[in-house]
Amino acid sequence: GQNIDQPTEMTATEGAIVQINCTYQTSGFNGLFWYQQHAGEAPTFLSYNVLDGLEEKGRFSSFLSRSKGYSYLLLKELQMKDSASYLCAAWDSNYQLIWGAGTKLIIKP
Amino acid sequence: DAEITQSPRHKITETGRQVTLACHQTWNHNNMFWYRQDLGHGLRLIHYSYGVQDTNKGEVSDGYSVSRSNTEDLPLTLESAASSQTSVYFCASSEGRETDTQYFGPGTRLTVL
Repeated sequence: GQNIDQPTEMTATEGAIVQINCTYQTSGFNGLFWYQQHAGEAPTFLSYNVLDGLEEKGRFSSFLSRSKGYSYLLLKELQMKDSASYLCAAWDSNYQLIWGAGTKLIIKP
Repeated sequence: DAEITQSPRHKITETGRQVTLACHQTWNHNNMFWYRQDLGHGLRLIHYSYGVQDTNKGEVSDGYSVSRSNTEDLPLTLESAASSQTSVYFCASSEGRETDTQYFGPGTRLTVL
């Protein structure tokens, strides 16, 4: 079956770096999204990877390895406002978006 | 500014009642989607549309229906609400291609008693 796995919860310290991993098993693959979702709010787009490698956008970077079915989101210089859930989602070959359950990131001062 | 809105933001209803959740986008996007989000689950696709008069079933479509009569709106109807449909519902839209980024509305929290 199709599946996205990501850790349920992670804790990190303000100013530090954290890496949130995502592994996927889909029938075919057409790219992977990362979204941020603050409690009680809508998911907001962070990044999209379709080719292997690292995409950097300011403090946030996303990495993809298609051969390993693996992605990570790297957050640098953590701020309290980065406390949120981070959702990983992958397109399958039928262009259905398969979503992970999300990783709740807790930032401590 | 273009946006996507949902109404109502909160709704409490009783088992067996028909409920319609509204979704309206002003981006002129062709694609629109309805998801539900429950604790411990990823977003689950209910229905989606790739254009006017086009509707498709998603992973969890039983008990839900949609219609697309114009580009801007995709209302979601619960024919006979059940307690299992208590959830947060998100509408999303994307431009045209299947893999375009989806942009989400603020969500509707529905409670079925």
